[in-house]
Amino acid sequence: SAVISQKPSRDICQRGTSLTIQCQVDSQVTMMFWYRQQPGQSLTLIATANQGSEATYESGFVIDKFPISRPNLTFSTLTVSNMSPEDSSIYLCSAAGAQSGNTIYFGEGSWLTVV
Amino acid sequence: GNSVTQMEGPVTLSEEAFLTINCTYTATGYPSLFWYVQYPGEGLQLLLKATKADDKGSNKGFEATYRKETTSFHLEKGSVQVSDSAVYFCALRSGTGNQFYFGTGTSLTVIP
Repeated sequence: SAVISQKPSRDICQRGTSLTIQCQVDSQVTMMFWYRQQPGQSLTLIATANQGSEATYESGFVIDKFPISRPNLTFSTLTVSNMSPEDSSIYLCSAAGAQSGNTIYFGEGSWLTVV
Repeated sequence: GNSVTQMEGPVTLSEEAFLTINCTYTATGYPSLFWYVQYPGEGLQLLLKATKADDKGSNKGFEATYRKETTSFHLEKGSVQVSDSAVYFCALRSGTGNQFYFGTGTSLTVIP
């Protein structure tokens, strides 16, 4: 299995600011994804982080709001820009690939509260 | 298209009761199926998986069988414990691509 580390694990952010979440995987993986989980809800896929190219965003999510980087096969960042209280959520990094038996593994999540 | 439909919650059971959480899916190709568990204040952890029809995934006393004929992957446990209280997510990985699809989650509370 892949071990995925995310930071920060929790943060309280001021409205209008931006925060970057980092995700580190302990092995090279083919795919990395970013999900959002709003309180009491299921997971919503934000985007697929592509190594060396622009991320692929799902409907309802745009690069200006959620810029994503993936400079190599083990690391990715998600920035939540110009935050509002509606962005208060858990942001989950995940990874999958042949090395993980094509199973998707998750980090512990970054719990953001916007005030 | 691909989707997962999961039993609505919340579910409350007494300790040692039998648990079933229903999950059905629609998919193109031959998907892989998963159950994930999210304990309070934590991220998602893989509980079990099955990659082809009639496979049974099992872990920590939980089981689920990949039933192609009924497009189902129901989660079962014979005797639940208080420590099983969590939210359970059914998921599938498309057989034709890299996309993963999640159900809405079922909250389980086990009372002593």
